[in-house]
Amino acid sequence: GAVVSQHPSRVICKSGTSVKIECRSLDFQATTMFWYRQFPKQSLMLMATSNEGSKATYEQGVEKDKFLINHASLTLSTLTVTSAHPEDSSFYICSAVAGGWDGYTFGSGTRLTVV
Amino acid sequence: TQLLKQSPQFLSIQEGENLTVYCNSSSVFSSLQWYRQEPGEGPVLLVTVVTGGEVKKLKRLTFQFGDARKDSSLHITAAQPGDTGLYLCAGAGGNKLVFGAGTILRVKS
Repeated sequence: GAVVSQHPSRVICKSGTSVKIECRSLDFQATTMFWYRQFPKQSLMLMATSNEGSKATYEQGVEKDKFLINHASLTLSTLTVTSAHPEDSSFYICSAVAGGWDGYTFGSGTRLTVV
Repeated sequence: TQLLKQSPQFLSIQEGENLTVYCNSSSVFSSLQWYRQEPGEGPVLLVTVVTGGEVKKLKRLTFQFGDARKDSSLHITAAQPGDTGLYLCAGAGGNKLVFGAGTILRVKS
């Protein structure tokens, strides 16, 4: 089946630094990838939709200059949290669509802690 | 904005009991999916329902999609501790999924 690999699984960074999270579709091409943020014991909140070769579409309230998304190839999308602050600490999850709604596959998530 | 209301938010039951989780919306979805998520991991797809009135069974799990494709339910029979986790419904709208708030299920042995 379709596999999405997300790295790193955990990262701790200092306040003010930037962190890059990678999302790769391992055995399929994904023209569209999605980035979510999840707080403890809560649901997934869609941050942005990433389309290969074009600018990402951000949801209302998500700062595009803070959360930089790049989808340079059909198998890789990256999320960079710039100038991270403690309030950015969260669980970030990506997903990729292989084709049709059954093709929605999620990565294993990245736990970001900003100290 | 399409919203999905999921209930209950929390459910703590004894092993062997049955339970039902509900997902309701005022909007029509082209399809609806149910996921299960364990702490520190990404959601794993359980089922996709597409047709109004559809019923799908996955071992002890039964999923229903309402006739009007606005609501869905997940019923678990004889729950086991291994069923513990966060259950999420998600509706397909446009080119993205809209998630419900989630149901945290804890099954005690």
